Amino acid sequence: DAGVIQSPRHEVTEMGQEVTLRCKPISGHDYLFWYRQTMMRGLELLIYFNNNVPIDDSGMPEDRFSAKMPNASFSTLKIQPSEPRDSAVYFCASSLDPGGNSYEQYFGPGTRLTVT
Amino acid sequence: KNEVEQSPQNLTAQEGEFITINCSYSVGISALHWLQQHPGGGIVSLFMLSSGKKKHGRLIATINIQEKHSSLHITASHPRDSAVYICAVHLNFGNEKLTFGTGTRLTIIP
Repeated sequence: DAGVIQSPRHEVTEMGQEVTLRCKPISGHDYLFWYRQTMMRGLELLIYFNNNVPIDDSGMPEDRFSAKMPNASFSTLKIQPSEPRDSAVYFCASSLDPGGNSYEQYFGPGTRLTVT
Repeated sequence: KNEVEQSPQNLTAQEGEFITINCSYSVGISALHWLQQHPGGGIVSLFMLSSGKKKHGRLIATINIQEKHSSLHITASHPRDSAVYICAVHLNFGNEKLTFGTGTRLTIIP
């Protein structure tokens, strides 16, 4: 398996522009997670999905952020409009349905976003 | 106060030394993860444990549920072990949300 795939790997955009980050989870995984990592705050969960349904979006910073999972093999994280404070590395991860027990998560390589 | 605390924040050691990184948490958890983030940025899951001890190669992870504490040990450390090690916990049973520690930056000098 190719692992979790994210695109683009790097994104540089100007303030006010729309940014779309993409993620393809490992085939057969039921959970998909979006994380953000910054120097100041470390790793933070933004949102996670189970079987394409958003379960917990309490980490989404504000209405400028939205995430979708239209099918089991694709998810997007959109920022509109982007701001310089959104600059961070955004990770996508996936895991199996734990069936009552937690499973390890597999991380994608991340997208480094720079908003100028 | 963070719910997950790691120590030390930074650790520099000579090649071959035995390394210990600690993680303490303040609430009940269902499971704890140790993650490794390479200098290039990629994150790899090393261990997930809810009790006892796990070993993989030169890496050993232990957890004491009563004391709310976990340790990650590296035996015969090597420069390629240089990375940031992150502790993360599932705060509620059946909740897949992870809460992260701030990480420990480990540097192994040849």
